[in-house]
Amino acid sequence: AQTVTQSQPEMSVQEAETVTLSCTYDTSESDYYLFWYKQPPSRQMILVIRQEAYKQQNATENRFSVNFQKAAKSFSLKISDSQLGDAAMYFCAYRRSNAGNMLTFGGGTRLMVKP
Amino acid sequence: DSGVTQTPKHLITATGQRVTLRCSPRSGDLSVYWYQQSLDQGLQFLIQYYNGEERAKGNILERFSAQQFPDLHSELNLSSLELGDSALYFCASSVRTDMNTEAFFGQGTRLTVV
Repeated sequence: AQTVTQSQPEMSVQEAETVTLSCTYDTSESDYYLFWYKQPPSRQMILVIRQEAYKQQNATENRFSVNFQKAAKSFSLKISDSQLGDAAMYFCAYRRSNAGNMLTFGGGTRLMVKP
Repeated sequence: DSGVTQTPKHLITATGQRVTLRCSPRSGDLSVYWYQQSLDQGLQFLIQYYNGEERAKGNILERFSAQQFPDLHSELNLSSLELGDSALYFCASSVRTDMNTEAFFGQGTRLTVV
């Protein structure tokens, strides 16, 4: 079974600074997707960024980028120029290539942004 | 707004009772997924329906069941409720089931069992 681990229950960053959230996963599959979701106090799960395992290039979405290390099974999220609105729970998630949208989530990291 | 609508937003009920959670997927989406978010278990996949048929099951208890109707809305039925069933229940929808389609989440139903 696949597992996703987020080892940082809480992280804190100063506004305008950069922060990196860690995620590791375990799988025997070679083809899969990885995601970072944001859950603000509104509870809405919002897709931040996704990475296809077959792509070597790291995904980037504006201030959000990932460091995907397939051999190490590591998938970290870097948030640049942190804003107060980035404060939320962040979940790393895994999906097998033939598993539709059935996601396996990590335990989450609570990000606090200090003004 | 993701376009996925879940009702009710909040639900408080007693142990032993039965409740029904409703999900209306985005227009055009055929696939619906149910997830449970609890303090103990984190976010877990429960069950998936595609165009009215059950497609996949995750960690769903036998006391729980779901269905997807011809108009594509879905209901999650939770019976013989226990305190441990208190959680946030999410519905997500996507156009298809393959890996190239993104799932959009509703805002969840907060269930409190007292």
